[in-house]
Amino acid sequence: DTGVSQDPRHKITKRGQNVTFRCDPISEHNRLYWYRQTLGQGPEFLTYFQNEAQLEKSRLLSDRFSAERPKGSFSTLEIQRTEQGDSAMYLCASAQEGRTEAFFGQGTRLTVV
Amino acid sequence: DAKTTQPNSMESNEEEPVHLPCNHSTISGTDYIHWYRQLPSQGPEYVIHGLTSNVNNRMASLAIAEDRKSSTLILHRATLRDAAVYYCIPRANAGKSTFGDGTTLTVKP
Repeated sequence: DTGVSQDPRHKITKRGQNVTFRCDPISEHNRLYWYRQTLGQGPEFLTYFQNEAQLEKSRLLSDRFSAERPKGSFSTLEIQRTEQGDSAMYLCASAQEGRTEAFFGQGTRLTVV
Repeated sequence: DAKTTQPNSMESNEEEPVHLPCNHSTISGTDYIHWYRQLPSQGPEYVIHGLTSNVNNRMASLAIAEDRKSSTLILHRATLRDAAVYYCIPRANAGKSTFGDGTTLTVKP
């Protein structure tokens, strides 16, 4: 296992289209996190899963955003009706229960044109 | 989340030690102090964490003030590969944190 994997690495989409990103965590990690990072800022927490349960959602996660982790392994983050303000890097991280450190993927860079 | 204050930027010469400070005066008693760094075009990378005692690992050392209101990340010999944004995160679980703006470390050859 080489770490947290995210797909795609880059996505360019037209305003109003839907996009979906995938995150494959480290295999024994039951915790999974999604973040958004805009240029020059630190990552902002979006949502958190423990196994398949979505336990926490930030107020940043508008109704156009939905995340799933159906079998407690990989996760998807969908953005519906994309807006230019959604342009950002979307990062996924995973962690093992009982440990505080999280491991990040390289992110998916979304550009909405 | 506890509020943090870090310098926006710092510079170091290669092979010299670097001390990166962080103030977290509102930290709660159960919060760990985590440090992550983010290299250009990469996701953040875990560096070190501690609760009360100073901590060492292969990447860095973490010095925690006795009152826990501040901490310092120490890179003993900076290399060009250490150029990154360094984030200090005081929280029980770093995974659910918003990172703040961090300190951009520039390492000069």
